[in-house]
Amino acid sequence: QSALTQPASVSGSPGQSITISCTGTSSDVGGYNYVSWYQHHPGKAPKLMIYEVSNRPSGVSNRFSGSKSGNTASLTISGLQAEDEADYYCSSYTSSTTLGFGGGTKLTVL
Amino acid sequence: QVQLQESGPGLVKPSQTLSLTCTVSGDSISSGFYYWSWIRQHPGKGLEWIGYIYSSGSTYYNPSLKSRVTISVDTSKNQFSLKLSSVTAADTAVYYCAGGDTVTFNYWGQGTLVTVSS
Repeated sequence: QSALTQPASVSGSPGQSITISCTGTSSDVGGYNYVSWYQHHPGKAPKLMIYEVSNRPSGVSNRFSGSKSGNTASLTISGLQAEDEADYYCSSYTSSTTLGFGGGTKLTVL
Repeated sequence: QVQLQESGPGLVKPSQTLSLTCTVSGDSISSGFYYWSWIRQHPGKGLEWIGYIYSSGSTYYNPSLKSRVTISVDTSKNQFSLKLSSVTAADTAVYYCAGGDTVTFNYWGQGTLVTVSS
C-alpha cells in the first residue's frame, strides 16, 4: 500500500490538458513543500519532472507544472503530446518514513 | 551528465542476501553534491524508497526495511551498494539506484529485476 494516493489512470487527447492528483496527509504532502513528480517510460530510467512542489529542472518542458493545495499535490500537463504517455509518480517527504511515493498513474494519450 | 547503472544477480534464493551495485559515471560519488539512494518497485506496484547514503558514509534507511538493509559506498570505484538480508518472495522487485538530495532524485538507473525464488 503506497503512502500517497494517485488515480490509477488518466487520459487525454493531443493538445488537451490533464491533471494528476497526489493525495496525502498533513504528515507528508500537506506539511512540507517537498513534493516531486517523476515520469517513467517502462524499461527506461525514471525522469524528474517537478521538485519542491512546483519547480522544473533544467530541460523539462514548461508544459509540465506542479501545485499543491492542502494535502493534495497536482501535476498538470498542458498541450498533451504522444510522447507524454507514460507512468507518473509523485513523492513527498514524510515524517514517518522520510520519503513516500504514490502508487503511480498511467497516462494514456488518446 | 550523471549516469547510473545497477548490476547484480537477477535471482536470489529465499533467506539469502540480495546484493546489488550501482556504478556512477559523470561525477565523483565523493563530490558531496548528492545523496545516493536505492528504490524498488514491486511487480505492478508503486515505488518504495529503501534508503540513502552520503559520500561521508552516513546512511538513512526506510524504517520498514531498516533491520535488513545495508547501503555502503566505495569511492575508489565510484560505486555504492545495497545488501538486503533474509529475502523472501516479497522482495521480488525492480531495484533502482538514484542520485539527488534526501527527497528528490535527479538521476536514476534503468533498474534491475531481482527475483527471489528457490
